[in-house]
Amino acid sequence: EIVLTQSPGTLSLSPGERATLSCRASQSLSSSYLAWYQQKPGQAPRLLIYGASSRATGIPDRFSGSGSGTDFTLTVSRLEPEDFAVYYCQQRGSSLTFGGGTKVEIK
Amino acid sequence: QVHLVQSGSELRKPGASVKVSCKASGYTFTSYAVNWVRQAPGQGLEWMGWINTNTGNPTYGQAFTGRFVFSLDTSVSTAYLQISSLKAEDTAVYYCARLYCSGGSCPLDVWGKGTTVTVSS
Repeated sequence: EIVLTQSPGTLSLSPGERATLSCRASQSLSSSYLAWYQQKPGQAPRLLIYGASSRATGIPDRFSGSGSGTDFTLTVSRLEPEDFAVYYCQQRGSSLTFGGGTKVEIK
Repeated sequence: QVHLVQSGSELRKPGASVKVSCKASGYTFTSYAVNWVRQAPGQGLEWMGWINTNTGNPTYGQAFTGRFVFSLDTSVSTAYLQISSLKAEDTAVYYCARLYCSGGSCPLDVWGKGTTVTVSS
C-alpha cells in the first residue's frame, strides 16, 4: 500500500499570503493518480486538483498542483478567507489512500 | 446537475447494524464506481473501498473486511453501505463519492454530504 505523508501538519498564514503544501508518497506513482481535496468544517471534501496539476471544474486559478514521482505540491498563490481549511492529497495507484491532511489556519 | 444524496444520521447500540444509502442523480449511475470513505471524529479521511456499479462487484480496503458490505439497487440508482456488529469505534461520518475516470486520471469528483453514524449504549 502506498503511504502518503503530508507536511506540515498545520500552516499558519495570513490572507494574501502564499501557501505551499507538500505530499510525499512512499513509492513512485504516476502523476495521473494524484489528487487534492479541500475540506471545511462540517462539509464533505471537495475535489480541487486531479492528475497532479489539473484544476477541477470551478476551482479558482490561485490553486495549482505540481510534482511527480514521490513529491507533490499544492500551492495557493494568495490565500482568500474561504481558503482556510484542511487539505488532503490522495492517490489511486496501488489501491486508494489519503494523506493525513494539512490544516491551513489564520495566523 | 450531478448529486449524491445520503441518508440521515443514525444512532445505534453496540452490536446492532446500520445501512446507509447513497442515491445518485444527474448521470448514468452504472457508468461510475461508488467509493466509501470514513472520517472518525477529528480525524482524517480513510478509504473503505468501492463498488463497481456495472457488475456489483465490491472491493474492500484492508481495514474494512468482514463487518462491512457494499451493495446496489441500480433500479433506483442507489448504493448502500451496511455495517454489522457495530462498535463504538465505528462512530464516524461516512461519505459516498463518485470515481470519475478520464484520461488516465480517476479522482473522487462528486461527494455526498455524509452520514453520521453514532454507536453508543
